[in-house]
Amino acid sequence: KQEVTQIPAALSVPEGENLVLNCSFTDSAIYNLQWFRQDPGKGLTSLLLIQSSQREQTSGRLNASLDKSSGRSTLYIAASQPGDSATYLCAVTSGGSYIPTFGRGTSLIVHP
Amino acid sequence: DGGITQSPKYLFRKEGQNVTLSCEQNLNHDAMYWYRQDPGQGLRLIYYSQIVNDFQKGDIAEGYSVSREKKESFPLTVTSAQKNPTAFYLCASRGQGGPYGYTFGSGTRLTVV
Repeated sequence: KQEVTQIPAALSVPEGENLVLNCSFTDSAIYNLQWFRQDPGKGLTSLLLIQSSQREQTSGRLNASLDKSSGRSTLYIAASQPGDSATYLCAVTSGGSYIPTFGRGTSLIVHP
Repeated sequence: DGGITQSPKYLFRKEGQNVTLSCEQNLNHDAMYWYRQDPGQGLRLIYYSQIVNDFQKGDIAEGYSVSREKKESFPLTVTSAQKNPTAFYLCASRGQGGPYGYTFGSGTRLTVV
């Protein structure tokens, strides 16, 4: 059974820092990996989707990498801003039913 | 714009009452999902449906029921058998096959009063 772990569970940084959030998974036979952002009391907003054949995806200040052999993905946030404060979740899709397995998320606070 | 609409945003349930949460999508997605989110527990899958008129139990289906009569709609009923229904409920959808990612609705917060 796929297991997804996100480290750290919480992170507090000053504005302007470059950040790395980690996501690890136990079964490397994945279809894709998706990073989401969740603001308090809101739904999940998709940030980046990486297919199993890809190594990375970029959107603005966000860059996500995927290393299937080591079972790891990282979300890099450049020049963090207070508006980046949210919980970041990764979801790994594997298996024939295409059911995603979610990590518990990293709660990020960027203070001015 | 295409997306998923969940309603209501807030819902209050009395003890012993059944309530239904609505989820509608206009993305032409085949698969739809219901998740429950509790503080510190992450997302847990309740039910999912890969095609109209078919659905499967997830990890925590007890006390819940669903229907999938239309491609666009996947309502979730929280029955009186669900003893601890207070939670945040999220609906999601995706296109069929491997390459597609998931789209989520904005959620319904259910509180027992």
